[in-house]
Amino acid sequence: DSGVTQTPKHLITATGQRVTLRCSPRSGDLSVYWYQQSLDQGLQFLIQYYNGEERAKGNILERFSAQQFPDLHSELNLSSLELGDSALYFCASSAPGGRYEQYFGPGTRLTVT
Amino acid sequence: GQNIDQPTEMTATEGAIVQINCTYQTSGFNGLFWYQQHAGEAPTFLSYNVLDGLEEKGRFSSFLSRSKGYSYLLLKELQMKDSASYLCAVSGGYNKLIFGAGTRLAVHP
Repeated sequence: DSGVTQTPKHLITATGQRVTLRCSPRSGDLSVYWYQQSLDQGLQFLIQYYNGEERAKGNILERFSAQQFPDLHSELNLSSLELGDSALYFCASSAPGGRYEQYFGPGTRLTVT
Repeated sequence: GQNIDQPTEMTATEGAIVQINCTYQTSGFNGLFWYQQHAGEAPTFLSYNVLDGLEEKGRFSSFLSRSKGYSYLLLKELQMKDSASYLCAVSGGYNKLIFGAGTRLAVHP
């Protein structure tokens, strides 16, 4: 158990819908990262937040957005869902300073039908 | 651009040693990470290298050559439970990780 929690574990929804994925980082970690992992692709970095502020952006679609709240939990919002958005979405967190290793949550498996 | 290459698949025998190579070209470098990922599960941290040389941790060792943009993960005394994907990742600016596609390792009896 990495100490990072994600809810829900599974999500099934229809095309065109909007969903929210939630992540709570390890105690004391200020950075939260979101990644997408599709069947035919590796882990793709989406976005990073540090202490409530957006720090870095990857190949995140405009239909996707995220935020980090004062209690440091983060939410990833996916809208106008398409079949191709079906994937595992992982959240990771890391401590301030140090070696920067990221610890991953169990993931949310999103299925768009 | 950023590019990380590692073999797609490898097979090995229980009890043997296997080396998984990774080459990278990235615009920033704050370190190289190896993660293990079993199918459908979260990646778990294995090792971190930021300076050239070998880091040993139990049955796993990781090597880095920054001048060559090269790393390898060495797994000794292979066990069946080591069958998994091994992900090489480079930390760039602001610590975002750029992952390779992963190497699927199958360990046979």
